[in-house]
Amino acid sequence: DTGVSQNPRHKITKRGQNVTFRCDPISEHNRLYWYRQTLGQGPEFLTYFQNEAQLEKSRLLSDRFSAERPKGSFSTLEIQRTEQGDSAMYLCASSLRPLAGVADTQYFGPGTRLTVL
Amino acid sequence: AQTVTQSQPEMSVQEAETVTLSCTYDTSESDYYLFWYKQPPSRQMILVIRQEAYKQQNATENRFSVNFQKAAKSFSLKISDSQLGDAAMYFCAYRSAQGGSEKLVFGKGTKLTVNP
Repeated sequence: DTGVSQNPRHKITKRGQNVTFRCDPISEHNRLYWYRQTLGQGPEFLTYFQNEAQLEKSRLLSDRFSAERPKGSFSTLEIQRTEQGDSAMYLCASSLRPLAGVADTQYFGPGTRLTVL
Repeated sequence: AQTVTQSQPEMSVQEAETVTLSCTYDTSESDYYLFWYKQPPSRQMILVIRQEAYKQQNATENRFSVNFQKAAKSFSLKISDSQLGDAAMYFCAYRSAQGGSEKLVFGKGTKLTVNP
């Protein structure tokens, strides 16, 4: 399977603990995105990388959240001092920078479901 | 800020029939892209169809087509000959094409049930 992969698929943690998620994009894709999806809602944008550069961050990405893409390949999303409100599905997507005037397609991974007790 | 509204939380359709899902959006931009994504239960989101705002012709992908009304800021999805495998959450999404933001802005989704 050469799609976007995310690990772990499920994570249960206690409030106050730190968690880290990993995303492996489609191999030739240079863009990588993180979104958060809570129950009954559409995904909300968190952050975006082009290669290793983090080019856009949402206001949702508080100082407890940090994302990295050190070599322009896989990415990690860390949440420090988790809160119950962080419980959600964290989705990763990747795309290839398109030609001008053409929309790139974001391909989504299966997500990591985080439950904070 | 752009917003996307899907006014139908749930819809149902009989197998082989046609259903239309509604989406409206709010933006002050003139150049943008619109998407419909499908999220089956416990499975990952996949792109159904996309539309560039500068194109007047409505996009079509097999049984899926859109009705893009730029002046009305409306972007509905029509599914013809509905199949059981079409059952899923459907999300409408907006993306700016004017540089800067690459993010997708999603609506809350419409849950589609296909009845045999």
